[in-house]
Amino acid sequence: DADVTQTPRNRITKTGKRIMLECSQTKGHDRMYWYRQDPGLGLRLIYYSFDVKDINKGEISDGYSVSRQAQAKFSLSLESAIPNQTALYFCATSDGTGGRDTQYFGPGTRLTVL
Amino acid sequence: AQSVTQLGSHVSVSEGALVLLRCNYSSSVPPYLFWYVQYPNQGLQLLLKYTTGATLVKGINGFEAEFKKSETSFHLTKPSAHMSDAAEYFCAVLYGNNRLAFGKGNQVVVIP
Repeated sequence: DADVTQTPRNRITKTGKRIMLECSQTKGHDRMYWYRQDPGLGLRLIYYSFDVKDINKGEISDGYSVSRQAQAKFSLSLESAIPNQTALYFCATSDGTGGRDTQYFGPGTRLTVL
Repeated sequence: AQSVTQLGSHVSVSEGALVLLRCNYSSSVPPYLFWYVQYPNQGLQLLLKYTTGATLVKGINGFEAEFKKSETSFHLTKPSAHMSDAAEYFCAVLYGNNRLAFGKGNQVVVIP
């Protein structure tokens, strides 16, 4: 079984709809991250969380919100989706040891906003 | 500010030829550097990383990268390309609060 899972894997929605993307991990890691990938732009950080009570904005948080329901679960919400939020979204985790550590990525969610 | 530059969004290489992907970074602290690979319709997989110590780092699938502080570079190489190496490759640098800054990626096409 995969260590980092994302649901759904693909989603098509309409402008103005509320969407939630979910991430779960069995790695026992404390740190979790949400990124979006756009062609030619690489990955950009949306939000990150170091534990259940610690949520931080990344470089492109506008239009997004997150919820860390448990150590193993980190959800990303688009309150009112718009077409330029069409992208590939990745969740990642890291264990936080030593302060600087490797991130492990889920398989991604492809979101299309019409 | 931390940043990563990868030149050439698409890189074509003949099967059996050298694969060379260039990565230059800027960092205000001693860098931790990563290369990730993304195969079609999959997530990112760690290829290799440099933290401290030996500057030549070996990764999976025959790839290696050399950290050169004087050149602020971390170029990725593989002596002989295989068809299975067709993928997108991302260089990244770790910065404050364990965040990653990614380059824009190189899409590698292997020509038979």
